[in-house]
Amino acid sequence: QKEVEQDPGPLSVPEGAIVSLNCTYSNSAFQYFMWYRQYSRKGPELLMYTYSSGNKEDGRFTAQVDKSSKYISLFIRDSQPSDSATYLCAMSAPGANNLFFGTGTRLTVIP
Amino acid sequence: GAVVSQHPSWVICKSGTSVKIECRSLDFQATTMFWYRQFPKQSLMLMATSNEGSKATYEQGVEKDKFLINHASLTLSTLTVTSAHPEDSSFYICSAGLALRTSGNTIYFGEGSWLTVV
Repeated sequence: QKEVEQDPGPLSVPEGAIVSLNCTYSNSAFQYFMWYRQYSRKGPELLMYTYSSGNKEDGRFTAQVDKSSKYISLFIRDSQPSDSATYLCAMSAPGANNLFFGTGTRLTVIP
Repeated sequence: GAVVSQHPSWVICKSGTSVKIECRSLDFQATTMFWYRQFPKQSLMLMATSNEGSKATYEQGVEKDKFLINHASLTLSTLTVTSAHPEDSSFYICSAGLALRTSGNTIYFGEGSWLTVV
């Protein structure tokens, strides 16, 4: 079993839709959860960072962490064509230097 | 925010030659940097962890003599692909950690380097 599971998609939605991206994980030691956005042929860009459980909102983006279910989500409201990218979840445990990544979900927002 | 700079962004080289890619943390010191490889439509694959002042730690299956990593300072790590072959053509990405809490890190990525070996 992989440490982090993420549906690779692809996911296509119309402009203005609410997008839900999800990851599950197996390591209960993970405490730090991140979402990265990667445009084609570019390096990943840190989008959201969450510590432990709870919600975090930044503009149109909301990150949720449910540690009891080992499940994290990223919601994108009022999706725009510029949101079309691959979204990677990542997580780490306290004291660890490395991150464990999901495989990434390819999102296309259709105008 | 923290910035990690990677250079060159793309490079084409002949088979059998060596190529060096630089990764710099611009506004923070990074004792640890990471090198990833990414094939088209696939996720990031960790190649090695670069530690300032000591030898890099390579992931299983990554040839340390082929992918030479040097982390000579707190802001610079280099990856040298030696005797490159067409199958080494890929997108190489570095990252560096920034501690946000006492025991936690978040990772910032460079822009990536496209290597094409012809």
